Amino acid sequence: EIVMTQSPATLSVSPGERATLSCRASQSVSSNLAWYQQKPGQAPRLLIYGASTRATGIPARFSGSGSGTEFTLTISSLQSEDFAVYYCQQYNNWPPRVTFGQGTRLEIK
Amino acid sequence: QVQLQESGPGLVKPSGTLSLTCAVSGGSISSSNWWSWIRQPPGKGLEWIGEIYHSGSTNYNPSLKSRVTISVDKSKNQFSLKLSSVTAADTAVYYCARNSEQQLVMRDWGQGTLVTVSS
Repeated sequence: EIVMTQSPATLSVSPGERATLSCRASQSVSSNLAWYQQKPGQAPRLLIYGASTRATGIPARFSGSGSGTEFTLTISSLQSEDFAVYYCQQYNNWPPRVTFGQGTRLEIK
Repeated sequence: QVQLQESGPGLVKPSGTLSLTCAVSGGSISSSNWWSWIRQPPGKGLEWIGEIYHSGSTNYNPSLKSRVTISVDKSKNQFSLKLSSVTAADTAVYYCARNSEQQLVMRDWGQGTLVTVSS
């Protein structure tokens, strides 16, 4: 099983600043990497797939990069609604396999 | 816009079977999408359980495969999850979701339903 490791566990950033979240895979996942945002009491929301493609309706301040084993989610200028938990997810279309990272909590500094 | 709604018992006894249904509205379950179940224990991360296509084809998480059955009812535009031999470790919020058409990512989610395993 591919293990996804996110860092840091908690990130404290001030509104308006840039946030950089990391995700590492235990072996190459090519570009099969997605990012989700989850707010308390809500379902996750798909932000990024294919490592760098924004999902429908996701603001341009969210960007993803990386390939292989190292990935980054960048939020260019934090808004109040961006403080949440972020999960990365690797996927393999065949055989179908999905694993999530343990999450990074983005909190207001 | 597709909407998903989970339903089922909120309390299941240990060794019993957890059964949930996901009703799909605003779209057809016979579209070219796969449909997934995901769970999240309280205060913890996400775990993919498995997926189904409207033809009935399924794929499961190997760690749960021996206990999981996902089925589809096209006449009711819904799909279902059964998890057998449950223990307290299966206590979680269970989500259903619509996958993206070409990649195993979950683009639309239900609100989730908490299932507690307890006697």
